[in-house]
Amino acid sequence: AQSVSQHNHHVILSEAASLELGCNYSYGGTVNLFWYVQYPGQHLQLLLKYFSGDPLVKGIKGFEAEFIKSKFSFNLRKPSVQWSDTAEYFCAVLYGGSQGNLIFGKGTKLSVKP
Amino acid sequence: EAGVAQSPRYKIIEKRQSVAFWCNPISGHATLYWYQQILGQGPKLLIQFQNNGVVDDSQLPKDRFSAERLKGVDSTLKIQPAKLEDSAVYLCASSLAPQGSYEQYFGPGTRLTVT
Repeated sequence: AQSVSQHNHHVILSEAASLELGCNYSYGGTVNLFWYVQYPGQHLQLLLKYFSGDPLVKGIKGFEAEFIKSKFSFNLRKPSVQWSDTAEYFCAVLYGGSQGNLIFGKGTKLSVKP
Repeated sequence: EAGVAQSPRYKIIEKRQSVAFWCNPISGHATLYWYQQILGQGPKLLIQFQNNGVVDDSQLPKDRFSAERLKGVDSTLKIQPAKLEDSAVYLCASSLAPQGSYEQYFGPGTRLTVT
């Protein structure tokens, strides 16, 4: 069955610390990869996406993610977090192209201490 | 551009009652999705429409859940009768798929509490 795993349930960091959130997915042929973020009280919004090409993708607010096909991974990184990055982060994988099934991980809650 | 609109934002009902949620997607988006997000989990797809046709409803509990997208724009999701385990946030999303970007845009969700 198609599945997406996020390794950390809750991550607590101090401002200026570096961030890496892990995401692994099960094999399913061609996939499209996403990271969504949900700030407190707000709706899910796209942080970044990978469809093809350069496996290192850059998103909004200084976030980036690297697609490593051999490891079925799509980890999210940010060199220096801010208090405003406090949110829940969801990795999602689209299996089966445009009409396929978007599978979400369980999410990682990030708390940044000022 | 206006985002995905959903109403109501919150709903509290007793078990065995019925409830309906409404979604208005982004203008021009052919594909509309309903997700269920239980506390502590990621969203799970319930049903996917392309225009007014169903693409995937394999995870929709059809004995109690129903959804429609008349005229290929607005959509409603209904639960009848509700159970305690239906307490969740119900998210609506839309995308330009299959013609354009696969990116899904999410609405604010409806938080349902079943008591």
